[in-house]
Amino acid sequence: EAQVTQNPRYLITVTGKKLTVTCSQNMNHEYMSWYRQDPGLGLRQIYYSMNVEVTDKGDVPEGYKVSRKEKRNFPLILESPSPNQTSLYFCASIQGTEQFFGPGTRLTVL
Amino acid sequence: AQTVTQSQPEMSVQEAETVTLSCTYDTSESNYYLFWYKQPPSRQMILVIRQEAYKQQNATENRFSVNFQKAAKSFSLKISDSQLGDTAMYFCALNLRTGTASKLTFGTGTRLQVTL
Repeated sequence: EAQVTQNPRYLITVTGKKLTVTCSQNMNHEYMSWYRQDPGLGLRQIYYSMNVEVTDKGDVPEGYKVSRKEKRNFPLILESPSPNQTSLYFCASIQGTEQFFGPGTRLTVL
Repeated sequence: AQTVTQSQPEMSVQEAETVTLSCTYDTSESNYYLFWYKQPPSRQMILVIRQEAYKQQNATENRFSVNFQKAAKSFSLKISDSQLGDTAMYFCALNLRTGTASKLTFGTGTRLQVTL
């Protein structure tokens, strides 16, 4: 079954404690992307990757890092999380113009 | 830069009735795609319908159809015979393809409540 998985699904952490949200796809897509969703703002792109070792900033990259060492995985790294990064995060794997979204990760930073 | 505007934060419709959700967008590109996504309480993002900008014919998927007005940069979603399961947040989105990049820009969403 074609799918995009994210872990963890829920996370409560404290300011400054480094964390990683994993994203994995089994569709051999080259293009992947991270979004955050906030009330009244819709989804905004954080980072995207066009292939292994090729990443670029989206609209709201501040405070985030990504890596793409293998095609199937695209982790999102928050090296020093702050409360304004409390949000719902989505990973997407992209084929052409179709985006396959993961189930989302609800992150709370206290 | 491209923008997507959804001017209706919340809407309500009775079961079996028809409702239209509005969306306007702005881009200087001529090659783009438009989407409506549904996000039910489970938070999963579900593709409802898509429209290629170069196609004049409005897309239709069962009870869902769009009114695509390219000159006006308008892309509304019509839901016919509304069902309780249609209760969700609906997002309009614009996808641009420039070279190898694929950028999806979302509107702020419309929360639709279907009532008995």
